[in-house]
Amino acid sequence: GESVGLHLPTLSVQEGDNSIINCAYSNSASDYFIWYKQESGKGPQFIIDIRSNMDKRQGQRVTVLLNKTVKHLSLQIAATQPGDSAVYFCAERSVGRGFQKLVFGTGTRLLVSP
Amino acid sequence: AAGVIQSPRHLIKEKRETATLKCYPIPRHDTVYWYQQGPGQDPQFLISFYEKMQSDKGSIPDRFSAQQFSDYHSELNMSSLELGDSALYFCASSQRGFGDTQYFGPGTRLTVL
Repeated sequence: GESVGLHLPTLSVQEGDNSIINCAYSNSASDYFIWYKQESGKGPQFIIDIRSNMDKRQGQRVTVLLNKTVKHLSLQIAATQPGDSAVYFCAERSVGRGFQKLVFGTGTRLLVSP
Repeated sequence: AAGVIQSPRHLIKEKRETATLKCYPIPRHDTVYWYQQGPGQDPQFLISFYEKMQSDKGSIPDRFSAQQFSDYHSELNMSSLELGDSALYFCASSQRGFGDTQYFGPGTRLTVL
């Protein structure tokens, strides 16, 4: 069945380092991918998205890369800050019958040390 | 900017009781989604509504029902609660045709004793 998963459950970095969070997906028909940040006890917060007709998209301190050949998605965070500590989820939009339910992958916990 | 509002934020119920969760989408958003997140798990899609009609259905138990009202707010009704229903319940909203990005609310933490 469809699945979106992450390679590493926990990533520990030092403040100021660049962080890379990876995600693999299995539904080659997916057309839209999103990264969410979730802090403890809060709802997922939209970070950045990318459509399947793109390979790269940049935001403020974040970059998402999409490799459709190997069905891989990554989130790069530049100059990681303690406030970036959270669980990060990639999500795939299921095109299904034309509606937009999200299929989430297993989250990766990012720990940023001062 | 206005965000998705969910109420209540916390809810404690006994087994076999019923619960109603409410969601108020971002203004002008016409689509509402419900997700369930168990401890240490990723959010799982339950059900969605577009313009007050059910648009998609996921792993929602038959004991649960939901609807979207004329003012676009949505309610998730849960009956015959079980211990396994304890989870965070998130509502998200989006605007069809404007990127469709789903924005999530703060969630309702349901504890079933």
